[in-house]
Amino acid sequence: QVQLQESGPGLVKPSETLSLTCTVSGGSITSYYWSWIRQPPGKGLEWIGYIYYSGSANYTPSLKSRLTISLDTSKNQFFLKLSSVTAADTAVYYCARVRYGSGSYFDSWGQGTLVTVSS
Amino acid sequence: QSALTQPASVSGSPGQSITISCTGTSSDVGSYNVVSWYQQHPGKAPKLMIYEGSKRPSGVSNRFSGSKSGNTASLTISGLQAEDEADYYCCSYAGSGTWVFGGGTKLTVL
Repeated sequence: QVQLQESGPGLVKPSETLSLTCTVSGGSITSYYWSWIRQPPGKGLEWIGYIYYSGSANYTPSLKSRLTISLDTSKNQFFLKLSSVTAADTAVYYCARVRYGSGSYFDSWGQGTLVTVSS
Repeated sequence: QSALTQPASVSGSPGQSITISCTGTSSDVGSYNVVSWYQQHPGKAPKLMIYEGSKRPSGVSNRFSGSKSGNTASLTISGLQAEDEADYYCCSYAGSGTWVFGGGTKLTVL
């Protein structure tokens, strides 16, 4: 059973870069797609991007100019970097495995990590 | 890429059935069987309940079922139990390697 765990700073200052790591255990990061999904406090889920183990990535249009998702297959980790953050980027950030193809859905999720943007 | 439309809240008594709707467009919900449903309890990560419109992952109760008609998908929970009280989100693949979620529905078990 694959498990995902997010890690990173819980507090980021406005205009700085938010950086998170998702560590995958119980399975290989290869041959799958991996996503980041966020949830502002008291609000709904927002898909923000994915990366394939080959390194190809795609982002939601509203964040494309500020977002980079990358991975390190040797460490079974993938990463999120969101630049020039504002208070609107305050959210619980989840990493998830994507079953991309027939159906296309998120079948395994991390527990989530709250990132607050504040000075 | 607009969020899918869900009712903000639904409620039902134990033992009853409820249905949560999820309305999108022909570019997302209306395209093939690409809708999934997630259950989220307070402070917890979402859990996959339905995928490909109507399939249940191993371990998910058969009280949960999914269907679709045109651009609207539905999640039905039969035999409501107290533990079903949670937020429910629909999600659809929207083409070009993107996904869109619904705004979420709060289910209250009376």
